[in-house]
Amino acid sequence: QKEVEQDPGPLSVPEGAIVSLNCTYSNSAFQYFMWYRQYSRKGPELLMYTYSSGNKEDGRFTAQVDKSSKYISLFIRDSQPSDSATYLCAMSEGNTPLVFGKGTRLSVIA
Amino acid sequence: KAGVTQTPRYLIKTRGQQVTLSCSPISGHRSVSWYQQTPGQGLQFLFEYFSETQRNKGNFPGRFSGRQFSNSRSEMNVSTLELGDSALYLCASSFATGKETQYFGPGTRLLVL
Repeated sequence: QKEVEQDPGPLSVPEGAIVSLNCTYSNSAFQYFMWYRQYSRKGPELLMYTYSSGNKEDGRFTAQVDKSSKYISLFIRDSQPSDSATYLCAMSEGNTPLVFGKGTRLSVIA
Repeated sequence: KAGVTQTPRYLIKTRGQQVTLSCSPISGHRSVSWYQQTPGQGLQFLFEYFSETQRNKGNFPGRFSGRQFSNSRSEMNVSTLELGDSALYLCASSFATGKETQYFGPGTRLLVL
């Protein structure tokens, strides 16, 4: 079992839809959880960062961490064509390297 | 503030050759991490340098090596290239070793023929 599992998609939604992206993990020592967005031919860009369990909201984006279920989510409200990208979850124990999911490719259709 | 820069952006090499990739972190950042990204394996950690010292190393063969200079710029080297080394090599910098604030460069796309 891989440390971090993420459905690769692709996921295609109409403009304005609510998008839900998810990752599961096996290492209960993970404490730092991140979501990165990667456009084609670009490096990943940090979107959201959460420490331990809980929710964090930033504009149209909401990140949720459920440590008891080892499950993290990213919600995108009112999705836009500019949100079309690959979304990568990443997590870390703290002073250890980031472990990434393989990414979910999202297409938002106008 | 300028972002993380990587050179070159694209590279074509043949099997058996060696290659050196360069990364300039965001000004003031002292930690540089390197990752390999492939469609099959996703993003995999190669190594991290902080203040010219390797702090962490991923599960890659010894053909992969790196170093960091006193100005925090970093290079990674791959010797005896194999076809499977074709990938996007990403560099990320952060102020310290806190993994939660890594900023990535655009990557170097390496093709090994």
